[in-house]
Amino acid sequence: KAGVTQTPRYLIKTRGQQVTLSCSPISGHRSVSWYQQTPGQGLQFLFEYFSETQRNKGNFPGRFSGRQFSNSRSEMNVSTLELGDSALYLCASSSGQPNQPQHFGDGTRLSIL
Amino acid sequence: AQKVTQAQTEISVVEKEDVTLDCVYETRDTTYYLFWYKQPPSGELVFLIRRNSFDEQNEISGRYSWNFQKSTSSFNFTITASQVVDSAVYFCARSQKLVFGQGTRLTINP
Repeated sequence: KAGVTQTPRYLIKTRGQQVTLSCSPISGHRSVSWYQQTPGQGLQFLFEYFSETQRNKGNFPGRFSGRQFSNSRSEMNVSTLELGDSALYLCASSSGQPNQPQHFGDGTRLSIL
Repeated sequence: AQKVTQAQTEISVVEKEDVTLDCVYETRDTTYYLFWYKQPPSGELVFLIRRNSFDEQNEISGRYSWNFQKSTSSFNFTITASQVVDSAVYFCARSQKLVFGQGTRLTINP
């Protein structure tokens, strides 16, 4: 069974640009969650999509947005990039039930110059 | 905010030593789930174990064991006879909406 696939693995952008990250969940998983990981703040929840609808949202500004397609693939978009957006962005998929573990991808490492 | 606290930021031990990683959580939910994940240098978080709030039975899997104590809101993780391959950052997490602790960086020295 293929795992969670995130593309690209690495990305370098400059301030003010926008970026789109992609996540393909494990087959059959309907929930996709996004996390930001930085050395200072640790792992922070961005949002969760379930059946194409945003079900939960963390405390991030509106520059961070996402969507989910009918095949459960998800994209995350960050607009007007800031230096502080440099981080490892992790995607996780699950069945969507709270008792089920989330399975994570390798992440996209985003560097802002 | 209902936090998950991993008080140990970094732990370093010599191979074959036993090591315990602490996790304390806060929750107002009566039903909740606790998880441990391992993040090796490659970056991917690997699921290790899940425990639900109404099952306080401890669990052992090989060299890994978990001690869940609802009375103290703790879910500690012990590695027995540690190995260099156990070196990673370990995260404790709690649902309903998954909240992670800050992680404990474990280094096993040969």
